[in-house]
Amino acid sequence: ETGVTQTPRHLVMGMTNKKSLKCEQHLGHNAMYWYKQSAKKPLELMFVYSLEERVENNSVPSRFSPECPNSSHLFLHLHTLQPEDSALYLCASSQEGDYGYTFGSGTRLTVV
Amino acid sequence: AQSVTQLGSHVSVSEGALVLLRCNYSSSVPPYLFWYVQYPNQGLQLLLKYTTGATLVKGINGFEAEFKKSETSFHLTKPSAHMSDAAEYFCAVTNQAGTALIFGKGTTLSVSS
Repeated sequence: ETGVTQTPRHLVMGMTNKKSLKCEQHLGHNAMYWYKQSAKKPLELMFVYSLEERVENNSVPSRFSPECPNSSHLFLHLHTLQPEDSALYLCASSQEGDYGYTFGSGTRLTVV
Repeated sequence: AQSVTQLGSHVSVSEGALVLLRCNYSSSVPPYLFWYVQYPNQGLQLLLKYTTGATLVKGINGFEAEFKKSETSFHLTKPSAHMSDAAEYFCAVTNQAGTALIFGKGTTLSVSS
């Protein structure tokens, strides 16, 4: 596989569920990002990891918990979400200092 | 604070016509500027970027953009639209810390035959 792979592509979860989104990059990049894309709103930066260290947490509610176990993998753990959290969650990677992000295809999350 | 404004949420052109998508930015530091394209059910793909040097930047698929500091603009153009150009286009600027990108709301480009 090449590029940035996100799984699952679609996820429906109840407000009391716990689930995780996975992102994997095969590009040798050392920075990874989570963005939230909602209808009619700009992409919202959620988290930035550089060299496996979190360097930015953009005032994201604690019901979203990121994890970066190594430079190739990034997770977003979800629990007790709200319906307004329904969105497309995009993962991206880059080489630190080079902003030519490579994006995954996203996970379409629906909270019911 | 860094921000991006894309003028026009929806632009419609005929096939073969000029494409012009507008982007203005606000930045407290010298900006790095980007255009991305998103096709349905896909992630974003980098079209082009400006960091330093030549202010006219050429990208993929025949697109180009010009950085105009005096106008704080980075408009995207293509001389002749193709049906396959129909997509959503996002302008972005580096955040103040230089750790990530801040995106505009996007412009949907429609191309008619």
